[in-house]
Amino acid sequence: GAVVSQHPSWVICKSGTSVKIECRSLDFQATTMFWYRQFPKQSLMLMATSNEGSKATYEQGVEKDKFLINHASLTLSTLTVTSAHPEDSSFYICSARGREGVREQFFGPGTRLTVL
Amino acid sequence: AQTVTQSQPEMSVQEAETVTLSCTYDTSESDYYLFWYKQPPSRQMILVIRQEAYKQQNATENRFSVNFQKAAKSFSLKISDSQLGDAAMYFCAYRTLTQGGSEKLVFGKGTKLTVNP
Repeated sequence: GAVVSQHPSWVICKSGTSVKIECRSLDFQATTMFWYRQFPKQSLMLMATSNEGSKATYEQGVEKDKFLINHASLTLSTLTVTSAHPEDSSFYICSARGREGVREQFFGPGTRLTVL
Repeated sequence: AQTVTQSQPEMSVQEAETVTLSCTYDTSESDYYLFWYKQPPSRQMILVIRQEAYKQQNATENRFSVNFQKAAKSFSLKISDSQLGDAAMYFCAYRTLTQGGSEKLVFGKGTKLTVNP
């Protein structure tokens, strides 16, 4: 149980375009979803936290207008990188947590974004 | 703010041997959770083991165990009978609360474990 998927797994786009990444909890209802960014050979940095039906909470230094997060249902959250630039190239990972009392976050397989 | 420090960027171990990965953290909280995650070359984050701070007993999951020293704020991971499939990046993580009141994980920089046949 507790499977999280991400789509796409890999995307290349041109500078200035927008890219949407989906994160789905396949076998549980995710009340909270998290979006992380991981640069090569570095750790995961939390970008934002989203609760179903409410606005996402962004970490300090993360541009909310650039990284749009929508958590429209208990099984789906999306991250849209708007007007992407080469410096946005990175590995983006989502995770999901179910009901209160469940302490683990279950991670998706990640999405590699390359902006040309 | 909470910080997590992994002082060993890389470690290696012979197959079937035991290795210990170090992690220290800084916090003023009394109740919290600590985790070890494994990230193999596939980049999929996998939970290895979890420890609740209020529990004095060290967590164990098959070949994986922790040495949790709350006063010293230390949380090391011991891998026994190392297998080739254990080769991966290992991240220590601390669960804390965001400004908005939600939880978040703070990760260390990771330790790359190599298992030699």
